[in-house]
Amino acid sequence: EDQVTQSPEALRLQEGESSSLNCSYTVSGLRGLFWYRQDPGKGPEFLFTLYSAGEEKEKERLKATLTKKESFLHITAPKPEDSATYLCAVQPAGAGSYQLTFGKGTKLSVIP
Amino acid sequence: SQTIHQWPATLVQPVGSPLSLECTVEGTSNPNLYWYRQAAGRGLQLLFYSVGIGQISSEVPQNLSASRPQDRQFILSSKKLLLSDSGFYLCAHSTPYGYTFGSGTRLTVV
Repeated sequence: EDQVTQSPEALRLQEGESSSLNCSYTVSGLRGLFWYRQDPGKGPEFLFTLYSAGEEKEKERLKATLTKKESFLHITAPKPEDSATYLCAVQPAGAGSYQLTFGKGTKLSVIP
Repeated sequence: SQTIHQWPATLVQPVGSPLSLECTVEGTSNPNLYWYRQAAGRGLQLLFYSVGIGQISSEVPQNLSASRPQDRQFILSSKKLLLSDSGFYLCAHSTPYGYTFGSGTRLTVV
């Protein structure tokens, strides 16, 4: 069974204080690992897809990395507007593997 | 560009009442469509997915059902709501680059 564990559950940072969010996964063959941002009362917003170990992607203050067992979302010099819940999900490889398995998310609060 | 519409945004329904949530997608044909539920303190749970008109796969046995009457329309229904059906319901479709979610429906069963 595919599993995704995100840590920490919640993270409070001062504005400008860089940190990382962790996503550990177990999947029988990985087609893709996804990162989403979710604001309260809204649907998840797509950030990144990573496909293979060693891959990195960046967008503004966010950088996602992938190994064979986990992914990290690095946040450099965060701002209050980066406050949100960040979700990680995996899609298994194989025919008919349409669904994503999500972690419970990390709720990030950036304090001015 | 692809757009996914979901309504209503919020809904308060009494126990035992019926439910119908609608999702439509624009800008793509024959999309894979999904219904997820997000409960407090839990991750997103896949409820149903559909790869075409009339084709529905259920992932979790429950009080809900889904239908796909048209290529870009996906409906989540219940004949009699339970308190445990409360949650945040999200429709999504998949692309080669990821999944796009609708804005969600907050359902409260009272």
